[in-house]
Amino acid sequence: GENVGLHLPTLSVQEGDNSIINCAYSNSASDYFIWYKQESGKGPQFIIDIRSNMDKRQGQRVTVLLNKTVKHLSLQIAATQPGDSAVYFCAEPDSSASKIIFGSGTRLSIRP
Amino acid sequence: DTGVSQDPRHKITKRGQNVTFRCDPISEHNRLYWYRQTLGQGPEFLTYFQNEAQLEKSRLLSDRFSAERPKGSFSTLEIQRTEQGDSAMYLCASSQDSPNTEAFFGQGTRLTVV
Repeated sequence: GENVGLHLPTLSVQEGDNSIINCAYSNSASDYFIWYKQESGKGPQFIIDIRSNMDKRQGQRVTVLLNKTVKHLSLQIAATQPGDSAVYFCAEPDSSASKIIFGSGTRLSIRP
Repeated sequence: DTGVSQDPRHKITKRGQNVTFRCDPISEHNRLYWYRQTLGQGPEFLTYFQNEAQLEKSRLLSDRFSAERPKGSFSTLEIQRTEQGDSAMYLCASSQDSPNTEAFFGQGTRLTVV
């Protein structure tokens, strides 16, 4: 629960393609995960969350997948647009459930 | 409600000066958090309040830092005798009751200590 990590620091995607951002966690007891999007100069913006009793959750153009077996979650963005350019963080409550902790982020850039 | 509001958005101060930041959370949210974020890193937890009670402080929060939430509504974060290493984005977030629900962030206050 105290170690939320990301696989890649940067991801470059062609406009219109799908983006997949990955995140690993270490605490098998973790039961809630959140994805945030942070644009330059702005605060993190909530995108989507998922609880451990679910494997998949869909939002508008975004899908989060949770694989509890390998302690991995991913954020999929369909038909990536220039406005999706940002840093994406996965986050989860810490082991005491007192605050949210963040990984270091993946920067998503869009090629025209 | 327009969300979490932080003031000022930017602050430039000379080393050794004191600075104070304000955060106005979403009105019905009981929990209020302060985070610090440096370039290329994720937000790092500093402290949080449940209503007016400050329940946890990170080791990052040195004696020069103090936070208050006197009436359980807005909060202030003060840094005394600022140092160059204090330069960062200071983020405030609020949520209902626990971190197992959505936490909403403000736009942050970017502090530059020269």
